[in-house]
Amino acid sequence: KQEVTQIPAALSVPEGENLVLNCSFTDSAIYNLQWFRQDPGKGLTSLLLIQSSQREQTSGRLNASLDKSSGRSTLYIAASQPGDSATYLCAVDPTQTSGSRLTFGEGTQLTVNP
Amino acid sequence: GAVVSQHPSRVICKSGTSVKIECRSLDFQATTMFWYRQFPKQSLMLMATSNEGSKATYEQGVEKDKFLINHASLTLSTLTVTSAHPEDSSFYICSGRMHSNQPQHFGDGTRLSIL
Repeated sequence: KQEVTQIPAALSVPEGENLVLNCSFTDSAIYNLQWFRQDPGKGLTSLLLIQSSQREQTSGRLNASLDKSSGRSTLYIAASQPGDSATYLCAVDPTQTSGSRLTFGEGTQLTVNP
Repeated sequence: GAVVSQHPSRVICKSGTSVKIECRSLDFQATTMFWYRQFPKQSLMLMATSNEGSKATYEQGVEKDKFLINHASLTLSTLTVTSAHPEDSSFYICSGRMHSNQPQHFGDGTRLSIL
């Protein structure tokens, strides 16, 4: 059974700092990995999706890497801003043959202080 | 693009009533829709997967008679919580996906509070 772990559970940083969020998964047989953002009381916004054959994806100040063999992914946020404050979730999608049933980590709650 | 609308965003009702939550894909055809449940400070737990025109597949431990799912069209799925009780209070989120090789797009969630 796939298990996804995110470290740290919570993080508080001053504005402008670069930071790294970590995600690990136990079963390396994944189809893709996604990073999401969730604001309080809201649904999920997809940030980045990395296919199993890819090593990283970039969008603006965000960069996500994937090391499938070691079961790890990181989300790098450059020059953090107060508006980045949210919970960040990673989710893995199993191999295509078993259908797309995402397994989520418990998230990292990020606070960026002005 | 790829917008999923969920309604209502919040509902408060008495114990014993049934509550219906709608999930609509506004600009794409969602052949598969997913229903998740999220407790405070916890992650999303998949409840069921539904393919248009077929019966939903429920995850282990989820009562299908308690949580009725209908996916009658490519743009609408509904979740009905029957005879709701306080322990059913939670945040319910749906998502839709067009093809198996494409990502899921999530709604904004429904906060259900049973008194």
